[in-house]
Amino acid sequence: GAGVSQSPRYKVAKRGQDVALRCDPISGHVSLFWYQQALGQGPEFLTYFQNEAQLDKSGLPSDRFFAERPEGSVSTLKIQRTQQEDSAVYLCASSPPGTGGQETQYFGPGTRLLVL
Amino acid sequence: DQQVKQNSPSLSVQEGRISILNCDYTNSMFDYFLWYKKYPAEGPTFLISISSIKDKNEDGRFTVFLNKSAKHLSLHIVPSQPGDSAVYFCAASGGGNTPLVFGKGTRLSVIA
Repeated sequence: GAGVSQSPRYKVAKRGQDVALRCDPISGHVSLFWYQQALGQGPEFLTYFQNEAQLDKSGLPSDRFFAERPEGSVSTLKIQRTQQEDSAVYLCASSPPGTGGQETQYFGPGTRLLVL
Repeated sequence: DQQVKQNSPSLSVQEGRISILNCDYTNSMFDYFLWYKKYPAEGPTFLISISSIKDKNEDGRFTVFLNKSAKHLSLHIVPSQPGDSAVYFCAASGGGNTPLVFGKGTRLSVIA
């Protein structure tokens, strides 16, 4: 079946521009996560949705970062007034409905953002 | 303050031999551990996981061992194949769809 898809795969933005990154989770997966991966590091948590509800946004680095999932399926991560330190790979992951508290997250290919 | 540590940035192994990748964690609330494999320009691919109620889980050539008292887990790949060359990430969670906490990864090179 289809995995998690993300678009665009690559994005170059000028400092100060707004960007929007899209994630299509695996069909039927209620949980959706966004992670940020800087060069040479492991992914770091940004935010988590269960259906359309954003249950945890503790990892968002600033109020320039905003995520939504209005219909409980596709999610968009928006970064306003991009800065050079926002350059990273943004990963989306989804997981199926609960199976006893230990759900595996499946990742998309990521969007590589470069802010010049 | 890293909660999940992979202290070896890289590992080189000959084809056919065993690869052992190590991971340490500090948070005793973690109860679910996963290994992901990542090729360049792709997202992490789930490999194998283990619950804290177990000390071993095996799937084909891949075995994960968990030592809770030492807060240590390891991934064994045997026999190693050139296609196993990738970056391997250890991840941990408190279960219940809580966010994963990742190590920095270990780059495995399997030499033919």
